[in-house]
Amino acid sequence: SSELTQDPAVSVALGQTVRITCQGDSLRSYYASWYQQKPGQAPVLVIYLQNNRPSGIPDRFSGSSSGNTASLTIAGAQAEDEAVYYCNSRDISGNHWVFGGGTKVTVL
Amino acid sequence: QVQLVQSGAEVKKPGASVKVSCKASGYTFTGYYIHWVRQAPGQGLEWMGVINPSGGSTSYAQKFQGRVTMTRDTSTRTLYMELSSLRSEDTAVYYCARDHSYDFWGQGTLVTVSS
Repeated sequence: SSELTQDPAVSVALGQTVRITCQGDSLRSYYASWYQQKPGQAPVLVIYLQNNRPSGIPDRFSGSSSGNTASLTIAGAQAEDEAVYYCNSRDISGNHWVFGGGTKVTVL
Repeated sequence: QVQLVQSGAEVKKPGASVKVSCKASGYTFTGYYIHWVRQAPGQGLEWMGVINPSGGSTSYAQKFQGRVTMTRDTSTRTLYMELSSLRSEDTAVYYCARDHSYDFWGQGTLVTVSS
């Protein structure tokens, strides 16, 4: 399958930890990257190659993977973390890429 | 600093073509692939394809095969994405993004397809 599946929405209390998952067959072979998108803005890379943070991304963001599931964890969620998060990886062929459907994170 | 600057918004009629540009600066142009991604209003991100600016080789999502052409001009450090036979469902913001990690993104180009 070339699909990546994400839960549509999740909520987290301010300062608590939330984990967002991304499932797909290709994740057994390829790393996932994660993007944060706020309304009206271009996406921003927050995790690449499974668990690497670009410069400027807070260390409360981390990535992990097990089997066919990649995860993005926000430890100590802040109000500014409220956004839609997308996972991305190669598809099973390795020649194309695919995005998950996105998870809207609400910080309560 | 790395910058990807895209062309301005476009309004097209069904059946027409659109060509969106993405001008790169601040890094070695031929050293990084460029991906094109689109986002319809209120929808998620959709991968369209990728181009290697070094040799010009491309790979397109099956959904767009036959309708999309990605090219580059190394002299002006500009990438192009042309989509033909436009229909209303192609109304979206189109982004270019650098490298397989999409570490830098253009600001997006809104393409509206309407009769």
